Amino acid sequence: DIQMTQSPSSLSASVGDRVTITCRASQSISTYLNWYQQKVGKAPKLLIYGASNLQSGVPSRFSGGGSGTDFTLTISGLQPEDFATYHCQQSYSTPITFGGGTRVEIK
Amino acid sequence: QVQLVQSGAEVKKPGASVKVSCQASGYTFTGYWMHWVRQAPGQGLEWMGWINPKSGDTNIAQKFQGRVTMTSDTSSRTLYMELNRLTSDDTAVYYCGREELVSRPFDPWGQGTLVYVSS
Repeated sequence: DIQMTQSPSSLSASVGDRVTITCRASQSISTYLNWYQQKVGKAPKLLIYGASNLQSGVPSRFSGGGSGTDFTLTISGLQPEDFATYHCQQSYSTPITFGGGTRVEIK
Repeated sequence: QVQLVQSGAEVKKPGASVKVSCQASGYTFTGYWMHWVRQAPGQGLEWMGWINPKSGDTNIAQKFQGRVTMTSDTSSRTLYMELNRLTSDDTAVYYCGREELVSRPFDPWGQGTLVYVSS
């Protein structure tokens, strides 16, 4: 199974900050890496697919990068509505696996 | 628009079974695989398996093999996930998610179904 390690597990940031979350795969997954945002009591929402492709309707302050084993999600200019938990997911092979999540909190 | 609507919350006793439904609308039902994912309280996301709604083929995560059945009803555009021999560790929110064709992310997701297992 491919292990996905996400860091940090939580962070505190202020509105307007630039935030970067990393995700590392235990083996190469090419660019089969997706990022989701999840708010409390809600289903995950797709933000980035294929490592760097912005899902339709997602604000451009979200961006993704990386390939192989190392990936990043960057939020440029954190907004109040961005405080949530972010999950990475590999869709390279089954079993599909997720990172442990990163909780972004208000400083 | 593409929408997945899941069945309501369930309360079950240990040893019982639960069947969660996911009704799809707004797209060609047989054209996309569907995945099931669960999330225990305060925990991360755990993949359970996928089903091809057209063929009925499934791929169940090893952890759930022998305990999970995934089925599809094309006439009602509804997917089902049945989990048997429930324990308290199965208390979680269960989600269905449609697999997109490019890069295979899940989009959209159903709203989630809480399954609570308690004696």
